[in-house]
Amino acid sequence: EAAVTQSPRNKVTVTGGNVTLSCRQTNSHNYMYWYRQDTGHGLRLIHYSYGAGNLQIGDVPDGYKATRTTQEDFFLLLELASPSQTSLYFCASSAEGGAEVFFGKGTRLTVV
Amino acid sequence: KTQVEQSPQSLVVRQGENCVLQCNYSVTPDNHLRWFKQDTGKGLVSLTVLVDQKDKTSNGRYSATLDKDAKHSTLHITATLLDDTATYICVVGDRGSALGRLHFGAGTQLIVIP
Repeated sequence: EAAVTQSPRNKVTVTGGNVTLSCRQTNSHNYMYWYRQDTGHGLRLIHYSYGAGNLQIGDVPDGYKATRTTQEDFFLLLELASPSQTSLYFCASSAEGGAEVFFGKGTRLTVV
Repeated sequence: KTQVEQSPQSLVVRQGENCVLQCNYSVTPDNHLRWFKQDTGKGLVSLTVLVDQKDKTSNGRYSATLDKDAKHSTLHITATLLDDTATYICVVGDRGSALGRLHFGAGTQLIVIP
């Protein structure tokens, strides 16, 4: 069964803190994405990747780093977290061209 | 600049009624368009995907249309149920190739009341 698993599901950190969000997919998809979702906005693309070792910048990359260590694993790094990064983060994987797209259940991050 | 606009922003209907959600976009090229359902605080679940220049799909009580000339899509929900309460998100894919990426609308919040 297709799956995208995010961890942690909830995280609270302090301003200036270091946070890593993890995403693992078992769909054999090449493409993985990190989005944030905020009230009044559609999902906004932070970073995405076409495969292990590849990284592409999305629409709202400032303050975020990402790393794709394997085909299955994609990480989002916040090295100096700020309150403006309080959001609901989604990871997704897709087949080439978006023929299949699966989303994780989300990680709610609160920066206090 | 927002490339995918959805309307209405929110909608309240009574259980059993039908409803129509709209999606207009300016994404070019427009390889495909997908509708997702998102329950509050949950992940997105794909309802249907449209690909052809003028396309129609049906998935149970959900049906959708796409007109690429008008860059417009509709999602019809027939005989709504309380469980249809969710946010419906329109997503346009701009390629059919390895360079493709997805463009998201802000969603329509549908509330179904008894």
